[in-house]
Amino acid sequence: NAGVTQTPKFQVLKTGQSMTLQCAQDMNHNSMYWYRQDPGMGLRLIYYSASEGTTDKGEVPNGYNVSRLNKREFSLRLESAAPSQTSVYFCASSYQAQETQYFGPGTRLLVL
Amino acid sequence: GDSVTQMEGPVTLSEEAFLTINCTYTATGYPSLFWYVQYPGEGLQLLLKATKADDKGSNKGFEATYRKETTSFHLEKGSVQVSDSAVYFCALKMGTYKYIFGTGTRLKVLA
Repeated sequence: NAGVTQTPKFQVLKTGQSMTLQCAQDMNHNSMYWYRQDPGMGLRLIYYSASEGTTDKGEVPNGYNVSRLNKREFSLRLESAAPSQTSVYFCASSYQAQETQYFGPGTRLLVL
Repeated sequence: GDSVTQMEGPVTLSEEAFLTINCTYTATGYPSLFWYVQYPGEGLQLLLKATKADDKGSNKGFEATYRKETTSFHLEKGSVQVSDSAVYFCALKMGTYKYIFGTGTRLKVLA
């Protein structure tokens, strides 16, 4: 039982490049989330998926897209990376939206 | 708007010392309150929570009491161990999806 896994662990991009961050959970959870964490700030919600087939914007969605590929997987895509997107990205999941969230180890992204 | 403020770190303590990490919040309604912990190289894990005023959450020797009158949820432990070294996040939850996290406090415990 791996919990929530994220790939890659670390990535360096040039401005304008695109990439997809992958997230998977093996806990049969219905809801999944993407957060970013910047120095001196708490985690901020980018997008969430309440259930398979639905996605909604969180607090800071600009510059990102998401795909809930199936119940297990929830990916985050940067179409044209910008230095302002340099951050640590966390994926999380919960059985239902109102319940405890379980987090992955994070992806550290550097955009030059 | 809703917010969480927690003490800046790092906090450095000797083993068996008493720990307090302060957390205060601002919220328009009646949030649930949480402490999450992040060990090196791992994701955030729920440490404890409290869902209403005067509730006390506890786990692994850590405690925090939901104080509505002081809008606080301070984390305490009577005797820290080296294995408690981690980053601790205070958070509140309003409604179904909206979590507000603090900036995190790094704790380092020396043997």
